[in-house]
Amino acid sequence: SQKIEQNSEALNIQEGKTATLTCNYTNYSPAYLQWYRQDPGRGPVFLLLIRENEKEKRKERLKVTFDTTLKQSLFHITASQPADSATYLCALDFPEPYSSASKIIFGSGTRLSIRP
Amino acid sequence: EAQVTQNPRYLITVTGKKLTVTCSQNMNHEYMSWYRQDPGLGLRQIYYSMNVEVTDKGDVPEGYKVSRKEKRNFPLILESPSPNQTSLYFCASSPRTGYNEQFFGPGTRLTVL
Repeated sequence: SQKIEQNSEALNIQEGKTATLTCNYTNYSPAYLQWYRQDPGRGPVFLLLIRENEKEKRKERLKVTFDTTLKQSLFHITASQPADSATYLCALDFPEPYSSASKIIFGSGTRLSIRP
Repeated sequence: EAQVTQNPRYLITVTGKKLTVTCSQNMNHEYMSWYRQDPGLGLRQIYYSMNVEVTDKGDVPEGYKVSRKEKRNFPLILESPSPNQTSLYFCASSPRTGYNEQFFGPGTRLTVL
C-alpha cells in the first residue's frame, strides 16, 4: 500500500535560517502533492500545491519541489520567523483507477520550532 | 465568510451510544471528506464524497457511516461508538477532487468511554 514519510517528527532551527522539511512516498507517484500548516488544536490550512509535472513552486517565503524520480518533495521556508512555528503536513492525491475519484493520504507531519 | 463548520466541537460519550457529528460548508464545494487525527498516525481519511449522493470509503471507514443528501452537508455517523474511535475529527471540503486545496473545519474532539 502507499506510504508517506515525513522524515522528521520535529525540527528546531534558528530564526532567519531556512527550514527544509521532507516528504517521501513509496510506490506510484501522486497526481499532485500539497503542503498544509497546522497549529495546535486547529484544522490544517492549505499552503501550496504542486503537480506531478512541475518541479518547483514558490509563494512568498515558501518553496516546494517535487522529484518523482526520488519520490520526494521538499518544503522550504526561507528567512524563518518564530511565527512559522507549527506542524507541517504533506498530502498526496492518488487518482483511483477507472474513476474520477481520488484518495488523499496525509503524512504524519513535522513539528517545526523557530527559536529567536 | 467562507467556512467549514463542525458540531459539536467537543463530545464525551459512552460506548454504544449512537452519535452524529455534523459538517457544513458554504462554498458550494463538490468534494467533502472526513478525517481522524491520532498522535503519530497523522490524518487518515474515513470517507469522502464526490458530490450529492456519491460517497466512498477512505482508509479507515470501519465503524463509521456518512450521507450526502445535500451539497453543503456531510454528517459523520457513529452507530455504536467504541473507545478506539476516541480521536480528533476533521471535516474538509474542496471545489472538486484533485488539483484543489482542501478547506478544513475546526475539528471535533470525541472521547468514547
